[in-house]
Amino acid sequence: AQTVTQSQPEMSVQEAETVTLSCTYDTSESDYYLFWYKQPPSRQMILVIRQEAYKQQNATENRFSVNFQKAAKSFSLKISDSQLGDAAMYFCAYRSAWDQGGKLIFGQGTELSVKP
Amino acid sequence: DTGVSQDPRHKITKRGQNVTFRCDPISEHNRLYWYRQTLGQGPEFLTYFQNEAQLEKSRLLSDRFSAERPKGSFSTLEIQRTEQGDSAMYLCASSLDVAKNIQYFGAGTRLSVL
Repeated sequence: AQTVTQSQPEMSVQEAETVTLSCTYDTSESDYYLFWYKQPPSRQMILVIRQEAYKQQNATENRFSVNFQKAAKSFSLKISDSQLGDAAMYFCAYRSAWDQGGKLIFGQGTELSVKP
Repeated sequence: DTGVSQDPRHKITKRGQNVTFRCDPISEHNRLYWYRQTLGQGPEFLTYFQNEAQLEKSRLLSDRFSAERPKGSFSTLEIQRTEQGDSAMYLCASSLDVAKNIQYFGAGTRLSVL
């Protein structure tokens, strides 16, 4: 069974600085998708960025980028120019390309605080 | 399009009571998922529907839990004879049945069992 591990329960960053959130996963599959979701307090979870395992190029979305290391099974999220609105719980998630249901397997989450 | 909506946002109940939650997905989405999130943990998959058919259930979904999606639109999740261990956030998500399968989440229903 696949597992996702986020080893940093909490992280803090100064406004306008850069922060990197770590995620590792365990799978024997070669084809899968990885996601970072953001969950602000008392609000719905929203997709931040998505990576397809067969693509070597790291995904980027504005200030958000990933460092995808397939051999190391690592998928970290870098947030540049951090803003107060980035404060939230961040979840790393895995989806097997072979799972017709498409269910997501989540890590435990990292709570990010942004200091003004 | 108002996104995925869940009702109620909060539910407090006494142990042994039955509770029912509702999820309204994004209108054109044919897949609907239920997840459970306990304090300090990531969401865990419970079950999913494609249209009105419930196609997969997690072993977490005991026989006290039942989910329905009549006519492939909204879905309900019922918990019978609630236990304190059922206290959690119950999240609903929906997606289109395409390769990208990006899931859009609702804000969740927080259940507290006293």
